[in-house]
Amino acid sequence: DTEVTQTPKHLVMGMTNKKSLKCEQHMGHRAMYWYKQKAKKPPELMFVYSYEKLSINESVPSRFSPECPNSSLLNLHLHALQPEDSALYLCASSRPRRVFSGNTIYFGEGSWLTVV
Amino acid sequence: GENVEQHPSTLSVQEGDSAVIKCTYSDSASNYFPWYKQELGKGPQLIIDIRSNVGEKKDQRIAVTLNKTAKHFSLHITETQPEDSAVYFCAAKSLSNFGNEKLTFGTGTRLTIIP
Repeated sequence: DTEVTQTPKHLVMGMTNKKSLKCEQHMGHRAMYWYKQKAKKPPELMFVYSYEKLSINESVPSRFSPECPNSSLLNLHLHALQPEDSALYLCASSRPRRVFSGNTIYFGEGSWLTVV
Repeated sequence: GENVEQHPSTLSVQEGDSAVIKCTYSDSASNYFPWYKQELGKGPQLIIDIRSNVGEKKDQRIAVTLNKTAKHFSLHITETQPEDSAVYFCAAKSLSNFGNEKLTFGTGTRLTIIP
């Protein structure tokens, strides 16, 4: 079963709000990812966690704060966002790897975020 | 870093005909090439992938070919059906500057199957 579950599916928030996106997987994957996707564009990598440690931050503004509480959960904390941050936020996961192995990345259905 | 180009951006095919989408990549160290299908309002779904030690892979109506020398790979869908209508993304997996694996996507192809 290759399932990555994201909540909520839709979120509308004001520019002064604090909210969180949540992601969960129970496939034993130890690499988890946050991607951002704007309309008619490909997904763009934001963060990568490997064995619960942040390994890639693609120069994402600090108003986005990732957190990996354990090997199954990944959160994205949102604060003081701008309307241009409105997008589909995708969580993904892949098997653990010690070498450059080309393991498959599985995506969740995403969380639609609208900032008003 | 890796750069992936994808063509065409839109493709309309009569139901039952074949569809071909092509991608090129720049990093010769990339070794894994997945294809994702994304339906409206949903996340990308892996439909097929190929590793660099293989030249071709087939799964029912879907096939992928890889030419490492030319650094290009293609998705072939035969006997297309209306449910094949979606946006398709190719991707290439390479190492980032910090030694982490990174998936770089193509710009996407909107495939429309005409009944």
